[in-house]
Amino acid sequence: DAKTTQPTSMDCAEGRAANLPCNHSTISGNEYVYWYRQIHSQGPQYIIHGLKNNETNEMASLIITEDRKSSTLILPHATLRDTAVYYCIVRVFGNEKLTFGTGTRLTIIP
Amino acid sequence: GAGVSQSPRYKVAKRGQDVALRCDPISGHVSLFWYQQALGQGPEFLTYFQNEAQLDKSGLPSDRFFAERPEGSVSTLKIQRTQQEDSAVYLCASSLTRDRDEKLFFGSGTQLSVL
Repeated sequence: DAKTTQPTSMDCAEGRAANLPCNHSTISGNEYVYWYRQIHSQGPQYIIHGLKNNETNEMASLIITEDRKSSTLILPHATLRDTAVYYCIVRVFGNEKLTFGTGTRLTIIP
Repeated sequence: GAGVSQSPRYKVAKRGQDVALRCDPISGHVSLFWYQQALGQGPEFLTYFQNEAQLDKSGLPSDRFFAERPEGSVSTLKIQRTQQEDSAVYLCASSLTRDRDEKLFFGSGTQLSVL
């Protein structure tokens, strides 16, 4: 499985953009990058995923570098409800399961 | 309901007791997953079903752990002779298909405490 590396924790001011980095230097060409988040006492929640191109949805944007060795999740206008642990996951081809790491604990500061 | 439902929400068991944890996936979802999450850690994969077939049970930590999904919908995770190290949150997730770009929907989990 391609491993991911994320900072343990980050802070972001409310209303600012939160940029969460992820390194996945051993990613294969047909592996997707997924982001999930887990708010306290809840199960993980899907945010976004991508293969090569940048992606945007109602929750966030995903920027993947051209060599695909790293990516950044962007929450454009962070709110207090965005405080959570954010997991960057590479999904192995032919393997249905998601392999979680320890993620980044994002705290939004009022 | 619209989401994945798990019951009970909390379970306290005495060491050596058997427990059964239930998962109701989203209606029509083919794939079902069980994860174990220890305090302060990310979820760890336990097992995976496609309909009623258990295709991957590589994450089950011991033969005390058993999962089933007999009719391809509701699933039960059973832990026999519980030990203190089994204390964790047990998460269930489902997805519509088995495609690798399909997203998983998680329940809120069952928090198991073994005393």
